[in-house]
Amino acid sequence: KNQVEQSPQSLIILEGKNCTLQCNYTVSPFSNLRWYKQDTGRGPVSLTIMTFSENTKSNGRYTATLDADTKQSSLHITASQLSDSASYICVVSRDDKIIFGKGTRLHILP
Amino acid sequence: GAGVSQSPRYKVAKRGQDVALRCDPISGHVSLFWYQQALGQGPEFLTYFQNEAQLDKSGLPSDRFFAERPEGSVSTLKIQRTQQEDSAVYLCASSLIWMGGPNEQFFGPGTRLTVL
Repeated sequence: KNQVEQSPQSLIILEGKNCTLQCNYTVSPFSNLRWYKQDTGRGPVSLTIMTFSENTKSNGRYTATLDADTKQSSLHITASQLSDSASYICVVSRDDKIIFGKGTRLHILP
Repeated sequence: GAGVSQSPRYKVAKRGQDVALRCDPISGHVSLFWYQQALGQGPEFLTYFQNEAQLDKSGLPSDRFFAERPEGSVSTLKIQRTQQEDSAVYLCASSLIWMGGPNEQFFGPGTRLTVL
């Protein structure tokens, strides 16, 4: 079982709508959690980084939340745009390891 | 300043050929990572360097895979006797300090390897 599970696997929404992507992890001890956006044919680009003590972090229309007690994180995208179509990857780090989720594939329809 | 660059961007190899993939990290970045990403999947960790020292190679799938970073900057991932299951995108990332810190990893565009 992967130590970082993301859901849904894929998601289709209309332009302008909001959506929330989920990440559950079992990685321990926990160092930090990151959300990345990966456009097709490109490397991942960091959206947010949160440490244990942070429970929310925003980057423009992207807001990540973290509940370290339940080991859950979410990425909320507000007022989606066509350019938001991409894979969104949750990454959890320990001091000695970085574990990637399989990603959520998001499609924005006009 | 330039980001992480990788070359070649695309590589087609016949099964059994050796390939070498290059990564130029951001200047001054201590940590360098190699990942393998299959189609529709998240990146899978291969190996990690801190400067020239390879501190973790637990993700390398077989002894056909070898990585080096001799001067603590440019890194090469070599795959010997390529097999069809090696077909994937190979991503390189670098970060300013050590692995566990809350510092950003910057990814290159990847090398797409196709083994025929």
